[in-house]
Amino acid sequence: SSELTQDPAVSVALGQTVRITCQGDSLRSYYASWYQQKPGQAPVLVIYGKNNRPSGIPDRFSGSSSGNTASLTITGAQAEDEADYYCNSRDSSGNLVVFGGGTKLTVL
Amino acid sequence: QVQLVESGGGLVKPGGSLRLSCAASGFTFSDYYMSWIRQAPGKGLEWVSYISSSSSYTNYADSVKGRFTISRDNAKNSLYLQMNSLRAEDTAVYYCARDDSSGYHYWGQGTLVTVSS
Repeated sequence: SSELTQDPAVSVALGQTVRITCQGDSLRSYYASWYQQKPGQAPVLVIYGKNNRPSGIPDRFSGSSSGNTASLTITGAQAEDEADYYCNSRDSSGNLVVFGGGTKLTVL
Repeated sequence: QVQLVESGGGLVKPGGSLRLSCAASGFTFSDYYMSWIRQAPGKGLEWVSYISSSSSYTNYADSVKGRFTISRDNAKNSLYLQMNSLRAEDTAVYYCARDDSSGYHYWGQGTLVTVSS
């Protein structure tokens, strides 16, 4: 079982703002990174560290963290943002790597 | 540009073995930790293993510990995953990924491993 918990599914109206959350005790000590995965494709890193975007990731993607919860926010969701989103961090020991179960984002 | 290309996947019977490879290019391979991450059909991502830049340190998910071995050849810019005693639940797409410590900035396209009789 994953030590990072995500809601299985979230929906958002086109152009609106959506927040996807990831909960886990290890997030009190380690930042989460976030990945977008579209069907049949490899995951793509969208947020890492405190709130950093790799080159090419639109600035409508942002990250934040509070206590044991990390959040990925998409401000002004676009149709192309419909995808599965996964959070990732270390486990509580810091030695192993864990992924959240994933959140399927639907853009209505 | 950074490229990671996995190979070696295929159909194998339960209890069998398979060796995956990942050819890296476009960066100084010996500077980075590397990981294997898998995804069972219709399921989420599962970290499998990582190896330090000099091979001095490895770690494994409990689900594969004792059965899988990660290794690398920095001279050949290659990462490997030796998989033994394969089970049906090991069926997945296996990705290699560059571990930048802040996250996995680069992924391969994946190679499918199917364990079935």
